[in-house]
Amino acid sequence: GAVVSQHPSRVICKSGTSVKIECRSLDFQATTMFWYRQFPKQSLMLMATSNEGSKATYEQGVEKDKFLINHASLTLSTLTVTSAHPEDSSFYICSALSLWASGEGTDTQYFGPGTRLTVL
Amino acid sequence: AQTVTQSQPEMSVQEAETVTLSCTYDTSESDYYLFWYKQPPSRQMILVIRQEAYKQQNATENRFSVNFQKAAKSFSLKISDSQLGDAAMYFCAYRSWSGGTSYGKLTFGQGTILTVHP
Repeated sequence: GAVVSQHPSRVICKSGTSVKIECRSLDFQATTMFWYRQFPKQSLMLMATSNEGSKATYEQGVEKDKFLINHASLTLSTLTVTSAHPEDSSFYICSALSLWASGEGTDTQYFGPGTRLTVL
Repeated sequence: AQTVTQSQPEMSVQEAETVTLSCTYDTSESDYYLFWYKQPPSRQMILVIRQEAYKQQNATENRFSVNFQKAAKSFSLKISDSQLGDAAMYFCAYRSWSGGTSYGKLTFGQGTILTVHP
């Protein structure tokens, strides 16, 4: 099946520093990737849609200058949390849209394992 | 805009028994996808089952099946012969059929925490 990886799985940083999270589709190409934020026992909140080679589309209320998204290739998207503050502490999840032509992989979103960010 | 509602914050079931998780949605579209995702304690989202709205037949995947009622905009998940490994948070999700800037976006419900008792 389709595999999406995220790195790092956990990161602790000091307030005011920037953190980069990588999302990779390992065995398929993804023209579209998504970034979510999730608080404990809550649903996933979509932050932005990342399309390869173009600017990301941010959801209402998400600060684009704070959460920088780059989708430089068909297998890699990155989320950079700039000048992180304790309120940015959360679980960040990426997903990649598979456009395989057949089987259960067709047009399905596959999720990475998530990154737990703690800002001190 | 589409909305997805899961009205059961928590459910519990005995091992080997059957449990049904509810999901309703609101949309003006006629073609769309519906999904159930499972998020175990590891927090890795796992696709459980998907349903295309144009298909009248309910999707099944081994012990997991859905009851898709398009007119009622209802999409419940039935788990048969529940196992300890089924314990997780379950999310119902909606996706539009059409493209554009919203292509592929999922709208999630609030989630249902399922506990399985031995």
